[in-house]
Formats: sequence, structure tokens, C-alpha cells
Amino acid sequence: DAKTTQPNSMESNEEEPVHLPCNHSTISGTDYIHWYRQLPSQGPEYVIHGLTSNVNNRMASLAIAEDRKSSTLILHRATLRDAAVYYCILRSPGGGYQKVTFGIGTKLQVIP
Amino acid sequence: DAGVTQSPTHLIKTRGQHVTLRCSPISGHKSVSWYQQVLGQGPQFIFQYYEKEERGRGNFPDRFSARQFPNYSSELNVNALLLGDSALYLCASSIRTSGIGEQFFGPGTRLTVL
Repeated sequence: DAKTTQPNSMESNEEEPVHLPCNHSTISGTDYIHWYRQLPSQGPEYVIHGLTSNVNNRMASLAIAEDRKSSTLILHRATLRDAAVYYCILRSPGGGYQKVTFGIGTKLQVIP
Repeated sequence: DAGVTQSPTHLIKTRGQHVTLRCSPISGHKSVSWYQQVLGQGPQFIFQYYEKEERGRGNFPDRFSARQFPNYSSELNVNALLLGDSALYLCASSIRTSGIGEQFFGPGTRLTVL
């Protein structure tokens, strides 16, 4: 299974942008890159996903390297509510056998 | 609309016992996945079901089993509980099994094995 590598923790000041990196050097050509976050005492929450092109939604932006071996989740203005564990995972597009692997994730601390 | 619901919220069992955890997906979602999250770790995939058929299985022993009902709700069963089974068990639903769509997670069931 293709795995992802993320820093264990990061800090950001409130109202500043945050760049959360993820390495996935063994990604296959068809794997989608997904990001989820988990606030304390809650289940994970979908943030964004992409395949090759950069993606934007109301929550964040996803920048994908040209060789797809790494990606970066960008929170444009961190708020205290963004303090969470962020997971970068890979998922195949097919409807057949599915095995999803979450790593330890990056714990983001937002400083007021 | 109601999100993914799980029951019970908390559960305490002793070693050797059996446990059944329940999950109701979002209305219209036909795929349900189960995850185990040990404290300090990311969720670990256990099973995925779609249209009542198993579509994926993680590296868990045969003590773990699951099923999906005609209304797409699901049960996770764990036999012969071990102390190491203590964890947060998460259920996630999605419209399809495809890796393109997002999964919606429930709040989880906290299982403590004594």
C-alpha cells in the first residue's frame, strides 16, 4: 500500500497562512490525494482532495507537486478552530477492493 | 439532515467478552466503512461494505467481523475481546465505494476493555 509521511506537529499564528506538507513517494498513477482533519473528541472531517491539478474549496487549497510525490494543504488564514490533527491519505478511484491507510497525521496548534 | 450516527457512545467490556457496535449512514449512502483508532494514532481501516457486500478488509484478526443490512446500516462485531481492542471505533459512510468521493465520519464508539 502506498503510504504518506507527514510531520508530527506544526504551529501557526492565528490569521496567518499554514502550509501542511505530505510526502507520498510511492503513489500510484491513479491514486487520489485526500485530506481529512480531526478536531478533539470528534470523528475525522473531509477537507479536500485532488488528483493532479491544484484544488481550491471554501476550507482550503491543495497544491500537488508535478511528479505527484508530495502535496501541501494550505489554510489561507488559520483560526483557533483549525487546531486539529490533519491526515493526508491516498485512495484509489475504483469501486473494487478498498484499503485506506491513515498515518499519524500532523497536529496543528494555532497560537492566538 | 442527520449525519452518521453510531451507538453506543461508550462501552465497557471485560476480556473475552463479545461486543456489537452499530452504525447508521447518511440517508442515500450505500457504503459504510469501519475504522479503529487507538489513542494517539490515526484511524486504521477495518472493513468496507457496499450494497451488503464486503469490498475491503484491513489487517485485523478474524475476531473482527461486520455486516451491512438492507437499509445500509451496519454492525461491527468483535469476539473474544482483548485489552488491545480498547479504542475509538469510527464508522464512515459515502455514496459509493469510489476513492473519489468524500467519507463522512460518525462521532465514534469509545470501547474500553478491562
